[in-house]
Amino acid sequence: KQEVTQIPAALSVPEGENLVLNCSFTDSAIYNLQWFRQDPGKGLTSLLLIQSSQREQTSGRLNASLDKSSGRSTLYIAASQPGDSATYLCAVGPNFGNEKLTFGTGTRLTIIP
Amino acid sequence: GAGVSQSPSNKVTEKGKDVELRCDPISGHTALYWYRQSLGQGLEFLIYFQGNSAPDKSGLPSDRFSAERTGGSVSTLTIQRTQQEDSAVYLCASSLVVPGSFSSGANVLTFGAGSRLTVL
Repeated sequence: KQEVTQIPAALSVPEGENLVLNCSFTDSAIYNLQWFRQDPGKGLTSLLLIQSSQREQTSGRLNASLDKSSGRSTLYIAASQPGDSATYLCAVGPNFGNEKLTFGTGTRLTIIP
Repeated sequence: GAGVSQSPSNKVTEKGKDVELRCDPISGHTALYWYRQSLGQGLEFLIYFQGNSAPDKSGLPSDRFSAERTGGSVSTLTIQRTQQEDSAVYLCASSLVVPGSFSSGANVLTFGAGSRLTVL
Protein backbone atom coordinates (compact mmCIF):
# COMPACT_ATOMS: atom_id res chain seq x y z
CA LYS A 1 0.00 0.00 0.00
CA GLN A 2 1.33 3.41 -0.99
CA GLU A 3 2.24 5.70 1.89
CA VAL A 4 3.10 9.37 1.51
CA THR A 5 4.97 11.23 4.22
CA GLN A 6 5.55 14.94 4.53
CA ILE A 7 8.11 16.29 6.95
CA PRO A 8 8.00 18.62 8.77
CA ALA A 9 4.34 18.78 9.75
CA ALA A 10 4.70 22.49 10.39
CA LEU A 11 7.24 25.12 9.40
CA SER A 12 7.62 28.82 10.18
CA VAL A 13 10.05 31.02 8.29
CA PRO A 14 10.61 34.78 8.00
CA GLU A 15 9.32 36.54 4.92
CA GLY A 16 11.75 36.63 2.02
CA GLU A 17 13.49 33.36 2.76
CA ASN A 18 13.69 30.49 0.35
CA LEU A 19 12.38 27.18 1.65
CA VAL A 20 11.98 23.55 0.75
CA LEU A 21 9.12 21.22 1.59
CA ASN A 22 9.68 17.48 1.44
CA CYS A 23 7.54 14.59 0.33
CA SER A 24 8.44 10.92 0.29
CA PHE A 25 6.52 7.92 -0.95
CA THR A 26 7.04 4.21 -0.45
CA ASP A 27 6.04 2.78 -3.83
CA SER A 28 8.00 4.20 -6.74
CA ALA A 29 5.52 2.80 -9.28
CA ILE A 30 3.76 6.11 -9.75
CA TYR A 31 2.61 7.90 -12.87
CA ASN A 32 2.36 11.39 -11.48
CA LEU A 33 3.00 13.52 -8.44
CA GLN A 34 1.12 16.67 -7.62
CA TRP A 35 1.51 19.50 -5.15
CA PHE A 36 -1.50 21.34 -3.77
CA ARG A 37 -2.07 24.10 -1.26
CA GLN A 38 -5.02 24.21 1.12
CA ASP A 39 -6.18 27.37 2.81
CA PRO A 40 -8.34 27.14 5.94
CA GLY A 41 -11.97 26.45 5.13
CA LYS A 42 -11.25 26.10 1.44
CA GLY A 43 -10.63 23.33 -0.98
CA LEU A 44 -7.31 22.41 -2.47
CA THR A 45 -5.62 24.44 -5.18
CA SER A 46 -3.42 22.62 -7.67
CA LEU A 47 0.10 24.07 -7.82
CA LEU A 48 2.27 21.76 -9.87
CA LEU A 49 1.94 18.40 -11.56
CA ILE A 50 4.92 16.24 -12.51
CA GLN A 51 4.50 13.22 -14.72
CA SER A 52 6.72 10.23 -13.95
CA SER A 53 8.81 10.86 -17.04
CA GLN A 54 9.66 14.38 -15.85
CA ARG A 55 12.10 15.49 -13.20
CA GLU A 56 10.77 18.92 -12.36
CA GLN A 57 8.16 21.56 -13.01
CA THR A 58 8.25 25.28 -12.39
CA SER A 59 5.55 27.86 -11.92
CA GLY A 60 6.56 31.36 -10.90
CA ARG A 61 8.36 31.18 -7.55
CA LEU A 62 7.58 27.48 -7.17
CA ASN A 63 9.72 24.60 -8.36
CA ALA A 64 8.89 20.96 -7.77
CA SER A 65 11.32 18.12 -8.37
CA LEU A 66 10.75 14.40 -8.55
CA ASP A 67 13.22 11.58 -7.93
CA LYS A 68 11.08 8.55 -8.58
CA SER A 69 13.75 5.96 -7.87
CA SER A 70 14.36 7.29 -4.37
CA GLY A 71 10.70 8.02 -3.73
CA ARG A 72 11.15 11.73 -3.07
CA SER A 73 9.84 15.06 -4.19
CA THR A 74 10.62 18.56 -3.04
CA LEU A 75 8.72 21.80 -3.43
CA TYR A 76 10.99 24.83 -3.48
CA ILE A 77 9.45 28.22 -2.73
CA ALA A 78 11.61 31.22 -3.53
CA ALA A 79 11.38 34.60 -1.80
CA SER A 80 8.53 33.55 0.48
CA GLN A 81 5.62 35.93 1.12
CA PRO A 82 2.95 36.02 3.83
CA GLY A 83 0.41 34.95 1.20
CA ASP A 84 2.27 31.68 0.87
CA SER A 85 1.04 30.68 4.34
CA ALA A 86 -1.09 27.58 3.88
CA THR A 87 -0.95 23.82 4.18
CA TYR A 88 0.93 22.17 1.34
CA LEU A 89 -0.03 18.67 0.29
CA CYS A 90 1.67 16.30 -2.07
CA ALA A 91 -0.14 13.44 -3.75
CA VAL A 92 0.97 10.55 -5.92
CA GLY A 93 -1.10 8.81 -8.56
CA PRO A 94 -0.73 5.16 -9.58
CA ASN A 95 -2.43 5.61 -12.91
CA PHE A 96 -2.77 8.12 -15.66
CA GLY A 97 -5.27 10.64 -14.37
CA ASN A 98 -6.39 11.87 -10.99
CA GLU A 99 -8.17 8.84 -9.62
CA LYS A 100 -6.86 7.07 -6.53
CA LEU A 101 -4.40 9.76 -5.56
CA THR A 102 -2.65 9.05 -2.26
CA PHE A 103 -2.11 12.22 -0.26
CA GLY A 104 0.35 13.09 2.44
CA THR A 105 -0.89 14.76 5.62
CA GLY A 106 0.69 18.03 4.61
CA THR A 107 3.10 20.65 5.86
CA ARG A 108 1.54 23.71 7.47
CA LEU A 109 3.63 26.67 6.40
CA THR A 110 3.61 30.03 8.16
CA ILE A 111 5.49 32.96 6.69
CA ILE A 112 6.30 35.53 9.34
CA PRO A 113 6.08 39.14 8.10
CA GLY B 1 -20.34 27.58 -12.88
CA ALA B 2 -16.99 29.21 -12.29
CA GLY B 3 -15.86 26.64 -9.77
CA VAL B 4 -16.85 23.40 -8.07
CA SER B 5 -19.79 23.94 -5.73
CA GLN B 6 -20.58 21.71 -2.80
CA SER B 7 -23.57 21.71 -0.51
CA PRO B 8 -24.23 21.78 2.31
CA SER B 9 -21.04 23.43 3.55
CA ASN B 10 -21.78 22.12 7.04
CA LYS B 11 -23.99 19.28 8.15
CA VAL B 12 -24.60 18.09 11.69
CA THR B 13 -26.58 14.91 12.02
CA GLU B 14 -27.42 12.28 14.55
CA LYS B 15 -25.93 8.83 14.43
CA GLY B 16 -28.07 6.52 12.35
CA LYS B 17 -29.50 9.21 10.05
CA ASP B 18 -28.91 9.29 6.30
CA VAL B 19 -27.17 12.26 4.68
CA GLU B 20 -26.75 13.45 1.11
CA LEU B 21 -23.87 15.60 -0.05
CA ARG B 22 -24.03 17.35 -3.38
CA CYS B 23 -21.33 18.34 -5.83
CA ASP B 24 -21.80 20.57 -8.85
CA PRO B 25 -18.62 20.38 -10.97
CA ILE B 26 -17.24 22.85 -13.46
CA SER B 27 -19.34 22.81 -16.59
CA GLY B 28 -17.85 20.51 -19.20
CA HIS B 29 -15.59 18.61 -16.84
CA THR B 30 -15.97 14.94 -17.67
CA ALA B 31 -14.29 13.52 -14.59
CA LEU B 32 -15.53 13.96 -11.02
CA TYR B 33 -13.88 12.73 -7.82
CA TRP B 34 -14.89 12.38 -4.19
CA TYR B 35 -12.28 12.46 -1.43
CA ARG B 36 -12.63 12.47 2.35
CA GLN B 37 -10.41 14.38 4.77
CA SER B 38 -10.57 13.23 8.35
CA LEU B 39 -9.00 15.13 11.22
CA GLY B 40 -5.28 14.49 11.36
CA GLN B 41 -5.32 12.25 8.32
CA GLY B 42 -4.57 12.74 4.68
CA LEU B 43 -7.18 12.89 1.99
CA GLU B 44 -8.71 9.50 1.26
CA PHE B 45 -9.95 8.62 -2.22
CA LEU B 46 -13.57 7.46 -2.28
CA ILE B 47 -14.82 7.22 -5.87
CA TYR B 48 -14.53 8.83 -9.27
CA PHE B 49 -16.88 9.21 -12.21
CA GLN B 50 -16.10 9.21 -15.88
CA GLY B 51 -19.22 10.75 -17.30
CA ASN B 52 -22.06 9.11 -15.39
CA SER B 53 -20.30 5.83 -14.71
CA ALA B 54 -18.09 4.95 -11.75
CA PRO B 55 -15.40 2.54 -12.98
CA ASP B 56 -13.93 2.03 -9.53
CA LYS B 57 -15.89 2.05 -6.29
CA SER B 58 -13.24 0.28 -4.24
CA GLY B 59 -12.45 3.38 -2.20
CA LEU B 60 -15.89 3.55 -0.61
CA PRO B 61 -15.40 2.64 3.08
CA SER B 62 -18.50 0.46 3.41
CA ASP B 63 -21.77 -0.41 1.72
CA ARG B 64 -23.38 2.45 3.63
CA PHE B 65 -21.71 4.77 1.15
CA SER B 66 -23.02 5.25 -2.38
CA ALA B 67 -22.68 7.88 -5.06
CA GLU B 68 -24.29 8.71 -8.33
CA ARG B 69 -23.86 11.22 -11.09
CA THR B 70 -26.56 12.24 -13.49
CA GLY B 71 -26.42 14.06 -16.81
CA GLY B 72 -22.65 14.06 -16.66
CA SER B 73 -22.89 16.89 -14.16
CA VAL B 74 -24.13 16.92 -10.56
CA SER B 75 -23.07 14.15 -8.22
CA THR B 76 -24.56 13.06 -4.92
CA LEU B 77 -22.72 11.15 -2.22
CA THR B 78 -25.10 9.37 0.14
CA ILE B 79 -24.17 7.98 3.52
CA GLN B 80 -26.76 5.76 5.12
CA ARG B 81 -27.04 5.07 8.85
CA THR B 82 -24.24 7.50 9.65
CA GLN B 83 -21.66 6.62 12.28
CA GLN B 84 -19.41 8.91 14.29
CA GLU B 85 -16.38 7.75 12.31
CA ASP B 86 -18.03 9.20 9.19
CA SER B 87 -17.34 12.68 10.54
CA ALA B 88 -14.98 14.36 8.10
CA VAL B 89 -14.77 16.94 5.36
CA TYR B 90 -15.97 15.49 2.09
CA LEU B 91 -14.25 17.09 -0.90
CA CYS B 92 -15.36 16.93 -4.48
CA ALA B 93 -13.13 17.72 -7.44
CA SER B 94 -13.49 17.75 -11.19
CA SER B 95 -11.16 17.78 -14.14
CA LEU B 96 -11.45 18.19 -17.86
CA VAL B 97 -9.45 15.25 -19.12
CA VAL B 98 -11.01 11.83 -19.05
CA PRO B 99 -9.14 9.52 -16.65
CA GLY B 100 -6.76 7.29 -18.55
CA SER B 101 -5.75 9.99 -21.01
CA PHE B 102 -3.53 12.09 -18.82
CA SER B 103 -2.22 15.32 -20.20
CA SER B 104 -0.09 17.64 -18.13
CA GLY B 105 -1.60 21.08 -18.01
CA ALA B 106 -5.04 19.95 -19.07
CA ASN B 107 -5.70 17.50 -16.27
CA VAL B 108 -5.72 20.05 -13.48
CA LEU B 109 -7.92 19.12 -10.56
CA THR B 110 -10.27 21.77 -9.26
CA PHE B 111 -11.60 21.16 -5.77
CA GLY B 112 -14.71 22.45 -4.09
CA ALA B 113 -14.59 23.96 -0.60
CA GLY B 114 -15.95 20.74 0.88
CA SER B 115 -18.86 19.62 3.02
CA ARG B 116 -18.05 19.27 6.69
CA LEU B 117 -20.05 16.41 8.20
CA THR B 118 -20.37 15.99 11.95
CA VAL B 119 -22.12 12.92 13.29
CA LEU B 120 -23.17 13.22 16.92
